[in-house]
Order: sequence, then C-alpha cells, then structure tokens
Amino acid sequence: QSALTQPPSASGSPGQSVTISCTGTSSDVGGYNYVSWYQQHPGKAPRLMIYEVTKRPSGVPDRFSGSKSGNTASLTVSGLQAEDEADYYCSSYAGSNNFVFGTGTKVTVL
Amino acid sequence: EVQLVESGGGLVQPGGSLRLSCAASGFTFSDHYMDWVRQAPGKGLEWVGRITNKPNTYTTQYAASVKGRFTMSRDDSKNSVYLQMNSLKTEDTAVYYCARDWKTSLDVWGQGTTVTVSS
Repeated sequence: QSALTQPPSASGSPGQSVTISCTGTSSDVGGYNYVSWYQQHPGKAPRLMIYEVTKRPSGVPDRFSGSKSGNTASLTVSGLQAEDEADYYCSSYAGSNNFVFGTGTKVTVL
Repeated sequence: EVQLVESGGGLVQPGGSLRLSCAASGFTFSDHYMDWVRQAPGKGLEWVGRITNKPNTYTTQYAASVKGRFTMSRDDSKNSVYLQMNSLKTEDTAVYYCARDWKTSLDVWGQGTTVTVSS
C-alpha cells in the first residue's frame, strides 16, 4: 500500500485560508468515505481533526473542514491562526482492516 | 480522563526483539479496536497494525513492512494492547504510538515510546 500524496508545504497569512490535498486511489480514498485528517505539532502526538471525510470531533474548531472528490480528499483551514502552524496528515481506510497515511504537509502561518 | 500510555521502548540491536505495551484508562477498552502507528525521525506517520475487539474475534492486520515480524495482542482484563517486535531492522527506529480506533479513525493517541535499532 503506497502512501497517499500530499504537498510538502502550504502557507497563508493570518485570517486567510489554506487547502491541503490528499491523493490516493480507488482502493483507498476513492473507495471509502473513511478519510481522516490529523494535526501534529513538533514533539507532540497527532490530534484527530476530521473523520469520515467531513465530520469534526468535539472540540475541533469549525475553521477546519474536509471534503472529497473522486480519489482526492482535501482539508481546508479557514481564518488561519498562529496555532494552526503544524504538520497535517491525511489517512484513509484501504479495505480488509488496512490503513494508509499521507506523506504529510507542513503548514506555515506567515 | 481518557488516556493511553505506552511503555517498553529502548535501544535494541538489529535482529533483536522488543515488546511494547499500551495501557488504556478512562473508557471501555474492550469495545474498541486498537492500532499502532510509528514515526521515524524526521519522517511522516506510518500505520503499523490494527487489532479488533472480541466480537470481531481479535482479528489483526499489519502493514506490509512489518508483516511476519510484528504481532499485536491485547488483554482486555488489563486494558492493555501489546506490540511484539521481532527481527528488528534499523529502519524500524521510530516513535511508536498506540491509538484508539473510533469510526475508522484514530481519536485518542498515547504520548509515544521511542524504539532505536542500532548496533
């Protein structure tokens, strides 16, 4: 199972929006509505931000939103804040109890 | 408080073995599938494996990179999940996280335990 493809970096000024893509195949992203997104600050454990493509767990700001079209999922962070600067990883169910993560995107708040 | 605490990491020589433990608290452990995820130094997240719950016969599944070398198990009476790692390679060096599986995502993570494979 190959890693999902994400851009290495993305950036935006405070208050702006940034969108991160996550491209897989019909065997993972395109085949299931089980795409998740995780935020990871340096030296910390990942934090779940989006599950089942579009849903936010309790406590996650509504500035974070997810979507999917075909084999590509996306995470949009609106109204960027300094604390949003982190690494972001997508993940998808790939069938038969298998999962795959994305390559990761470093978001910089300018 | 919902919590996962990993232990058992350390330095091991190539070809050696190590057993990681993850102790859960604050939720009904036996209801949940559990996963292990690792992160090599300076690299991204890599899913390692999953173990289902009793109703689903404790089925395990592993990433291709560890299949045949790593084994997951759990003891619901101790609220713990384990990762037995054999035939370790230098490329297994990473921080290993256990995580709670929820709605086919990982909603609770431990703080991680570091495994270093080196001679």
